[in-house]
Amino acid sequence: DAKTTQPNSMESNEEEPVHLPCNHSTISGTDYIHWYRQLPSQGPEYVIHGLTSNVNNRMASLAIAEDRKSSTLILHRATLRDAAVYYCILRTYGGSQGNLIFGKGTKLSVKP
Amino acid sequence: ETGVTQTPRHLVMGMTNKKSLKCEQHLGHNAMYWYKQSAKKPLELMFVYSLEERVENNSVPSRFSPECPNSSHLFLHLHTLQPEDSALYLCASSQAGQNNYGYTFGSGTRLTVV
Repeated sequence: DAKTTQPNSMESNEEEPVHLPCNHSTISGTDYIHWYRQLPSQGPEYVIHGLTSNVNNRMASLAIAEDRKSSTLILHRATLRDAAVYYCILRTYGGSQGNLIFGKGTKLSVKP
Repeated sequence: ETGVTQTPRHLVMGMTNKKSLKCEQHLGHNAMYWYKQSAKKPLELMFVYSLEERVENNSVPSRFSPECPNSSHLFLHLHTLQPEDSALYLCASSQAGQNNYGYTFGSGTRLTVV
């Protein structure tokens, strides 16, 4: 299984940008990079995903390195509601490899 | 509301009880999943249903019994549980076989076994 490595925790100040890193040096050509987050006492929620090109949506931006061995989730202006555990997950096409397998993620704290 | 509804939100049961957790989605998805999240541990994938067939069972004890009567509903039947089974049980749905598609999770059932 392709694995990801994330820092255990990060801190940010409210209204400042946050860059959450993820390393995935064993990524294969067909692996999509997915990001989810889990707010306290809730189920995980989808944030963004990408394959090769950078991606933007209303929640965040995903910057993918040219060699695809790392990626960064960017929250442009952190709010207190963004305090959550953020998971970077590789999904391979097909079979059990396509299942969403969670690691420990990065716990993001946002200070007012 | 995420589109995936789980009931009940909280459940307390004795070790000799039998109870069921329910999950319902009306997103048109054809794959459904049960996850377990114990305190301070990553989410663990328990069961995978694709097109109403169980395609994965990750070494889950037989005291947990899933059921998927149709693509919109998923149950987890519980019997003779142990205190260490206390956890947050999460249901999710997705489109089977597509790694460029997201999962939608419910809010979970907080289970306490006494």
